[in-house]
Amino acid sequence: QKEVEQNSGPLSVPEGAIASLNCTYSDRGSQSFFWYRQYSGKSPELIMFIYSNGDKEDGRFTAQLNKASQYVSLLIRDSQPSDSATYLCAVNTPGNQGGKLIFGQGTELSVKP
Amino acid sequence: DAMVIQNPRYQVTQFGKPVTLSCSQTLNHNVMYWYQQKSSQAPKLLFHYYDKDFNNEADTPDNFQSRRPNTSFCFLDIRSPGLGDAAMYLCATSRVAGGGQETQYFGPGTRLLVL
Repeated sequence: QKEVEQNSGPLSVPEGAIASLNCTYSDRGSQSFFWYRQYSGKSPELIMFIYSNGDKEDGRFTAQLNKASQYVSLLIRDSQPSDSATYLCAVNTPGNQGGKLIFGQGTELSVKP
Repeated sequence: DAMVIQNPRYQVTQFGKPVTLSCSQTLNHNVMYWYQQKSSQAPKLLFHYYDKDFNNEADTPDNFQSRRPNTSFCFLDIRSPGLGDAAMYLCATSRVAGGGQETQYFGPGTRLLVL
């Protein structure tokens, strides 16, 4: 079983729609969860992080965390063509030297004008 | 602006010819990471430094080495690059905050091509 799993996509949504990206993780000890956006040929860019169960909103982005179900999601409202990218879910496994991020494979999002 | 800088952005080397990739940061973060990312794959952690303490991942090949001479700089040395080492190499930094809430910030990456 992969430690962090995402649907690889591509996920295609029309402009203005809500895009829903999902991620599951296997380590119940994981404490923090991150969503990165990665454009083709570029490095990952932090979109949001979430530590507590529930929802966290930042502009058009909402992260949702359910630790009991080991599930984290990212909603993008009013999707724009510029949101077209690969979205990486990353989970922090705590350690005594800064912990480390485990990344999912990423979900490719395509927003059609 | 505080940032993570990687040089060069593109590196072409020959099979078996040693190569060094550079990362510097102005964030004064105490942790620095090196990842390898191949096309359509997740970034794979190679190793990280917590201050001067080196932490190697169990599956990182011996061909990959790293140096951190000071807080700001970290280097990735590939002793004998093979064709399979062609990838994007990503440097990231974080400040240890405790509680597993460290956020990692990535540099722009170095794309390595092995001929």
